[in-house]
Amino acid sequence: SQQGEEDPQALSIQEGENATMNCSYKTSINNLQWYRQNSGRGLVHLILIRSNEREKHSGRLRVTLDTSKKSSSLLITASRAADTASYFCVPLTGANSKLTFGKGITLSVRP
Amino acid sequence: NAGVMQNPRHLVRRRGQEARLRCSPMKGHSHVYWYRQLPEEGLKFMVYLQKENIIDESGMPKERFSAEFPKEGPSILRIQQVVRGDSAAYFCASSPDTPRAETQYFGPGTRLLVL
Repeated sequence: SQQGEEDPQALSIQEGENATMNCSYKTSINNLQWYRQNSGRGLVHLILIRSNEREKHSGRLRVTLDTSKKSSSLLITASRAADTASYFCVPLTGANSKLTFGKGITLSVRP
Repeated sequence: NAGVMQNPRHLVRRRGQEARLRCSPMKGHSHVYWYRQLPEEGLKFMVYLQKENIIDESGMPKERFSAEFPKEGPSILRIQQVVRGDSAAYFCASSPDTPRAETQYFGPGTRLLVL
């Protein structure tokens, strides 16, 4: 497995604004996943996008994948204070394998 | 369908004692993964198990740490003779038995504090 590189490291926005988080990786993948970790809690799987997909939506989440640039972005629209968390991207080349986490992005949404 | 369960949620041990962390995967999941999160750091993979088998233990420290996932019962992560550096949050995740099981479902974690 490989580690995703998230950018920026920290992001602070006002409630109601959109949050855009970016991820880059190094080698070819089968899919890329985004996870969220609220402070002091376990991780929650947010969304998975496959290598043959370019864009995917889930509620207020929109994820894009550009395999030519080896990059992905996660957009959270109309952010809420409850979105305050750390976000991690995980590129995967196969199933049933370990996940490798980077440093993540710390998102703070101010009420 | 209950999620991944871990117990205890908090565990305090003195140096030299043993710590046993339990993980019950989601119903229908036979793949279990253990991760460790040191303070102010990201999650690091430790071990991947299927029922009665260790598939990948590349992230496990060579000494004092062991893991099992018996045919019946929860998966156990065991740390013998704990040291202060073992203080961390330990997370368990599980995935289903389908051929393309890519998503892992995480438990709430066990926070181990070694005094």
